[in-house]
Amino acid sequence: NAGVTQTPKFQVLKTGQSMTLQCAQDMNHNSMYWYRQDPGMGLRLIYYSASEGTTDKGEVPNGYNVSRLNKREFSLRLESAAPSQTSVYFCASYRSLEKSSYNEQFFGPGTRLTVL
Amino acid sequence: AQSVAQPEDQVNVAEGNPLTVKCTYSVSGNPYLFWYVQYPNRGLQFLLKYITGDNLVKGSYGFEAEFNKSQTSFHLKKPSALVSDSALYFCAVLSGGFKTIFGAGTRLFVKA
Repeated sequence: NAGVTQTPKFQVLKTGQSMTLQCAQDMNHNSMYWYRQDPGMGLRLIYYSASEGTTDKGEVPNGYNVSRLNKREFSLRLESAAPSQTSVYFCASYRSLEKSSYNEQFFGPGTRLTVL
Repeated sequence: AQSVAQPEDQVNVAEGNPLTVKCTYSVSGNPYLFWYVQYPNRGLQFLLKYITGDNLVKGSYGFEAEFNKSQTSFHLKKPSALVSDSALYFCAVLSGGFKTIFGAGTRLFVKA
């Protein structure tokens, strides 16, 4: 199993450009997440998808959109990139609640995005 | 609101000495607590979790954590630190069944 994969690994954008970050998991997990990591701020949740067909806003959704394409794939789109969106982006997946078994998340390797 | 606090930005310890990375939490209801580790240029990796049962939880790489309900703490510990333990450590709490709230992280530096 590859686990959680993300593309691209690195990206440099100019202000106003758009791009889509791709994420896929092969663990048959129900829930998927997008986080951003900034120094001293830990991980902040951008959007999540509790199950296929649903998406919800997290803590910092402004400037982003998501698509849960199918059970495996969850993409994050920046329509008009801003310097404040310079960050490291992580995708994660989670099996969800099963008989009171609370599970850990599995993370991808991250995408380092710089917006000039 | 549920929250997690890691009061130390950095912890320094000599190799072979015991280490503790602190975490306190604020949750309504039963806490479901996790520790993750992040090595440079990598995603987070799960270390251990507390759901219920024994207050001392054992995890990967010789780490353990002690759940203390009265002090609302979930400190990460290891009896003998290794240089290879140097990394960024995150405490987290599961909120509402689907969302995990992370602390700001503590950088552990183990000196040879």
